[in-house]
Amino acid sequence: EVQLVESGGGLVKPGGSLRLSCAASGFTFSSYSMNWVRQAPGKGLEWVSSISSSSSYIYYADSVKGRFTISRDNAKNSLYLQMNSLRAEDTAVYYCARDLHDYGDYGLGYWGQGTLVTVSS
Amino acid sequence: DIQLTQSPSFLSASVGDRVTITCRASQGISSYLAWYQQKPGKAPKLLIYAASTLQSGVPSRFSGSGSGTEFTLTISSLQPEDFATYYCQQLNSYPPTFGQGTRLEIK
Repeated sequence: EVQLVESGGGLVKPGGSLRLSCAASGFTFSSYSMNWVRQAPGKGLEWVSSISSSSSYIYYADSVKGRFTISRDNAKNSLYLQMNSLRAEDTAVYYCARDLHDYGDYGLGYWGQGTLVTVSS
Repeated sequence: DIQLTQSPSFLSASVGDRVTITCRASQGISSYLAWYQQKPGKAPKLLIYAASTLQSGVPSRFSGSGSGTEFTLTISSLQPEDFATYYCQQLNSYPPTFGQGTRLEIK
């Protein structure tokens, strides 16, 4: 069974940093592209970042480019999101999500339960 | 960036109704479109990918159609568990944008 478990969320002051982790199990982690998607309270879904299976291709939303860094450790079956220079508008539930297939772009087939990041003084 | 516009944003319907949600893309995206269902406090769930392919385990009352710039998600006979928010997402190019969502509520 595919499982994605996020951790690392919490309360942080504006300008601060936080590192989110996503522990994956139940599939060959090194074969799949992975993603972070966030959802501000009461708002819709916003794609944040994607990383290919071997980390060769990395993409960011303009809203986080230069402040967030996505990475993965295939030996540890883990995905990360380093978030720096946090702003109030980064407050959201952050989801880790796996591409449906290990080929092509068909959507996000598996999601974690999410971790809440609150940026407030 | 490709913009996705869902209509309606809010829909009130009854159990047994047939409902259709539309997602329009600001430029052609072939069939690179997915639909998700999200219930309050839960992660989204993939329903449809490649515009019309039903994800494994999703009931057959859900169907998707379209290509290019106009897509639809249809629920043939609403069940109580279908009342949720629905999102489309384009995967044609980065950033893989989402529509703003359609909230489906019980009439």
